[in-house]
Amino acid sequence: DAMVIQNPRYQVTQFGKPVTLSCSQTLNHNVMYWYQQKSSQAPKLLFHYYDKDFNNEADTPDNFQSRRPNTSFCFLDIRSPGLGDAAMYLCATSFLRTEAFFGQGTRLTVV
Amino acid sequence: AQKITQTQPGMFVQEKEAVTLDCTYDTSDPSYGLFWYKQPSSGEMIFLIYQGSYDQQNATEGRYSLNFQKARKSANLVISASQLGDSAMYFCAMRESRGYGGSQGNLIFGKGTKLSVKP
Repeated sequence: DAMVIQNPRYQVTQFGKPVTLSCSQTLNHNVMYWYQQKSSQAPKLLFHYYDKDFNNEADTPDNFQSRRPNTSFCFLDIRSPGLGDAAMYLCATSFLRTEAFFGQGTRLTVV
Repeated sequence: AQKITQTQPGMFVQEKEAVTLDCTYDTSDPSYGLFWYKQPSSGEMIFLIYQGSYDQQNATEGRYSLNFQKARKSANLVISASQLGDSAMYFCAMRESRGYGGSQGNLIFGKGTKLSVKP
């Protein structure tokens, strides 16, 4: 049974058109992460929530925003996607210091 | 400064043989955790093994073991009896405590090693 679910698995959006990626979890974990992973590269942390406490990485572009309305859901908003934002977006959750559980990812294509 | 270093972009191993994937890390935090993940071509990140900085013994999980050398700041993954299904990208990751109530911090990844198992 999937514990971290990302929707959609594949997303095609137009250049400059806002897009939202979603992540839900059934684990009741207090930490949720969003990563961007480009082809053949390491996942790059964009931001994470520790409960409702939002933590933005210093080099995350302002074009990327996130919302966590409750423990189970977290959203990644890309306000004006550019061609350079095409990537796999990975959501993960963890509880305190335990391992992070990842969703299957959303592959974003910008046309 | 890069905190996680994986120096092997690609590795080949013969089926049924053992292979070691290297990982070194850099931190000044006395409390941290080290993780290894496997990423098949499908894209999902699969947790393999965890080592805490205060753990006295090396972690083991089935065919996976972690060779933790704290003084050298290395956390190498050893896969015994390689299988064709082990072909994937392998990422080493670290979480520092960063003082969020002493228990949380960012989870950052190395650049990965692509392992190919030959029949």
